[in-house]
Amino acid sequence: GAVVSQHPSRVICKSGTSVKIECRSLDFQATTMFWYRQFPKQSLMLMATSNEGSKATYEQGVEKDKFLINHASLTLSTLTVTSAHPEDSSFYICSAGGRRGVAEAFFGQGTRLTVV
Amino acid sequence: GEDVEQSLFLSVREGDSSVINCTYTDSSSTYLYWYKQEPGAGLQLLTYIFSNMDMKQDQRLTVLLNKKDKHLSLRIADTQTGDSAIYFCAEKSGYSTLTFGKGTMLLVSP
Repeated sequence: GAVVSQHPSRVICKSGTSVKIECRSLDFQATTMFWYRQFPKQSLMLMATSNEGSKATYEQGVEKDKFLINHASLTLSTLTVTSAHPEDSSFYICSAGGRRGVAEAFFGQGTRLTVV
Repeated sequence: GEDVEQSLFLSVREGDSSVINCTYTDSSSTYLYWYKQEPGAGLQLLTYIFSNMDMKQDQRLTVLLNKKDKHLSLRIADTQTGDSAIYFCAEKSGYSTLTFGKGTMLLVSP
């Protein structure tokens, strides 16, 4: 089946620094990828829809200047958490697929971000 | 907005069957999914069902859909300790993104 790879799986950074998370679709072209955030014991919250070659679409309440998304190719989307703060510590997951006519949505392994 | 609800916790003994329930509110849901999440890992698609089906079986997994009541269930036969994880129900309609439940933590004891 299709595979989505996310990197890194864990990252610890200092407050004020920026962190980049990569999401790659390994065996299919993904014009659209999704970025989710998961709080402990909570469901996944959609942060933004990443569109290849155009600007990302952010969900209400998500700061686009803080969570920069770049979808430069059909196989790679990146999420950069800028000027990270401890409250940004969370589990971030990307997905690809799940388009109309494509039932499956494939998820990356997730990235555990800890800001100290 | 649309909502997906699931019970938060289920505990079973190894070898028993597990049934995880889910309800949703979007009557235009096209696909309904079950995902498994092990600690610290991403989501693994277990199975999905089209809204025009009422049952789907895949080895130890059986999905039942009651579209009238908007109720979805996942039955795991002969539950093993390796099945211990969080199970997410999710729904999708048309071009929309997935809407997830909060997840059900399944604990399987020996």
